[in-house]
Amino acid sequence: GENVEQHPSTLSVQEGDSAVIKCTYSDSASNYFPWYKQELGKGPQLIIDIRSNVGEKKDQRIAVTLNKTAKHFSLHITETQPEDSAVYFCAANPLSSGSARQLTFGSGTQLTVLP
Amino acid sequence: DTGVSQDPRHKITKRGQNVTFRCDPISEHNRLYWYRQTLGQGPEFLTYFQNEAQLEKSRLLSNRFSAERPKGSFSTLEIQRTEQGDSAMYLCASSRGGGQGYTFGSGTRLTVV
Repeated sequence: GENVEQHPSTLSVQEGDSAVIKCTYSDSASNYFPWYKQELGKGPQLIIDIRSNVGEKKDQRIAVTLNKTAKHFSLHITETQPEDSAVYFCAANPLSSGSARQLTFGSGTQLTVLP
Repeated sequence: DTGVSQDPRHKITKRGQNVTFRCDPISEHNRLYWYRQTLGQGPEFLTYFQNEAQLEKSRLLSNRFSAERPKGSFSTLEIQRTEQGDSAMYLCASSRGGGQGYTFGSGTRLTVV
């Protein structure tokens, strides 16, 4: 089955700096890659996703890049703010349908933005 | 759109007891998912419904676990004869399908003592 590895497990940045979180996946059939933000006591919230037919997607301060050849994808947060502090999870869809059914998640990155 | 609602938020139970959790998805979403999340880990897939049909089940879903989605609306997840290893956050999510992402609920935190 699919295996998703996420690095780093913890990341501290100064407010205003950029943060980058990286994930690798094993199943070349995966074609949907969402990123979730989870705050304490809450469920994961979808913040951005990318499909395998594009290499990059941006939404305001958040961007995701995908390298299908190397089987890795990354989350980039620019101009970080204290409210960006949370646990971030990457995920991959191991099915070829692209219908966002079963997702395999990484183990998470605790991002801390220092004021 | 009131989001995905899960009840209860917290459940403490004694080992060997049965527990049942409820999930109310976003009303227009026909797909519903259950995941389990342990401390410091990402969510792990348990099962998936499209309308009332349970289409996928993980190997994690032992025969002590059962999920239903009668009439394709709310869903219940029951754990029989709970064990300490069942202690986790149980997350429900729903989606419209067609490549749309999930919306997760806030989860039910189960503690088995």
